[in-house]
Amino acid sequence: NAGVTQTPKFQVLKTGQSMTLQCAQDMNHEYMSWYRQDPGMGLRLIHYSVGAGITDQGEVPNGYNVSRSTTEDFPLRLLSAAPSQTSVYFCASSNPGVNYGYTFGSGTRLTVV
Amino acid sequence: RKEVEQDPGPFNVPEGATVAFNCTYSNSASQSFFWYRQDCRKEPKLLMSVYSSGNEDGRFTAQLNRASQYISLLIRDSKLSDSATYLCVVNGMDSSYKLIFGSGTRLLVRP
Repeated sequence: NAGVTQTPKFQVLKTGQSMTLQCAQDMNHEYMSWYRQDPGMGLRLIHYSVGAGITDQGEVPNGYNVSRSTTEDFPLRLLSAAPSQTSVYFCASSNPGVNYGYTFGSGTRLTVV
Repeated sequence: RKEVEQDPGPFNVPEGATVAFNCTYSNSASQSFFWYRQDCRKEPKLLMSVYSSGNEDGRFTAQLNRASQYISLLIRDSKLSDSATYLCVVNGMDSSYKLIFGSGTRLLVRP
């Protein structure tokens, strides 16, 4: 059981480049989310999805797009990378219900130069 | 005011000590409460959910005070392996699936 798989683990981009961070889960979870973590700021929600075909914005959505064509996959697209997007990105998934916490992937460390 | 606030620490305690972390949250309608553990350069991992009546899992006890909007985590008989950052997590203002994370409290357990 792989859980939540994120690729790549590390990435360096030049300002203005675009890329997609991949996230896949094999637990048949309905909910999936993307967070970014910056030093001293904790995890901040970028986008989330409550099921295939349904996505919505979180706290810091600007500069990112998502789609959810299948239950398993929830890719995060950086449209035009900026140095401010240098961060660690975590994908997470969960079953619905107030007592279900999220299971996180191991993260993608992104540096934009 | 932040939606979830924690003392950043660090808490530096000897092995075997009892240590308590506190967390306050701003949304009185929150229904979901969790403690996560995060090791350096690793992903957060769910430590325990927090139930209204309080709950215990081995050396860990979590309490919820809805009136004061306050969550606590007590760790008894600290181990070196407990050294980590502990994140308080509460669901957001408009849904159960939008989890809001505190910035975390760092714990260092020394020999």
